[in-house]
Amino acid sequence: EPEVTQTPSHQVTQMGQEVILRCVPISNHLYFYWYRQILGQKVEFLVSFYNNEISEKSEIFDDQFSVERPDGSNFTLKIRSTKLEDSAMYFCASSRGVSPLHFGNGTRLTVT
Amino acid sequence: QKEVEQNSGPLSVPEGAIASLNCTYSDRGSQSFFWYRQYSGKSPELIMSIYSNGDKEDGRFTAQLNKASQYVSLLIRDSQPSDSATYLCAVQQTNTGNQFYFGTGTSLTVIP
Repeated sequence: EPEVTQTPSHQVTQMGQEVILRCVPISNHLYFYWYRQILGQKVEFLVSFYNNEISEKSEIFDDQFSVERPDGSNFTLKIRSTKLEDSAMYFCASSRGVSPLHFGNGTRLTVT
Repeated sequence: QKEVEQNSGPLSVPEGAIASLNCTYSDRGSQSFFWYRQYSGKSPELIMSIYSNGDKEDGRFTAQLNKASQYVSLLIRDSQPSDSATYLCAVQQTNTGNQFYFGTGTSLTVIP
């Protein structure tokens, strides 16, 4: 069964550095998402992406964040100038449309 | 604001019992409903989808949807210790983009 794949599984970075989290959505899916989950807390929506543009973003997704689909398969989340509070699990997800959301295994980001 | 409400729990049931998880949502325009299971440190995993009023059964799981009451539930029969996890209710709306809204999750513990 096709899967959403995310790399790396764990990223450690220093405060103020930039990180790029990578995702390969399921190939016939059209909608792409990033979610965040701080340890012990709820899954939080960051951004959705469709037809090569952002379709919706949350209050969390400020100028520090950006997304890109640089080619036909990858979907990336860039976090500029990371802060301690950015430490979380970041989940990429994709959907075909009127169908469930499929999650990747996540990237655990640790900002020190 | 579109809201999805769940009791956070924790909900404890003995092994072999029925676990009942509930979810309400605020937007009557919601079209599709999903239950995800999330083990600690892992990504959400889809376990049930339901699109129309009534019951849908899949093995030990039954999802129930009542759109008039804006209520969706998940029953787990013959609960097993391996069912211990957090269960996330998700609501999909496709009338404005393709957005998924998640509840905070209900923590379930099945006691051997």
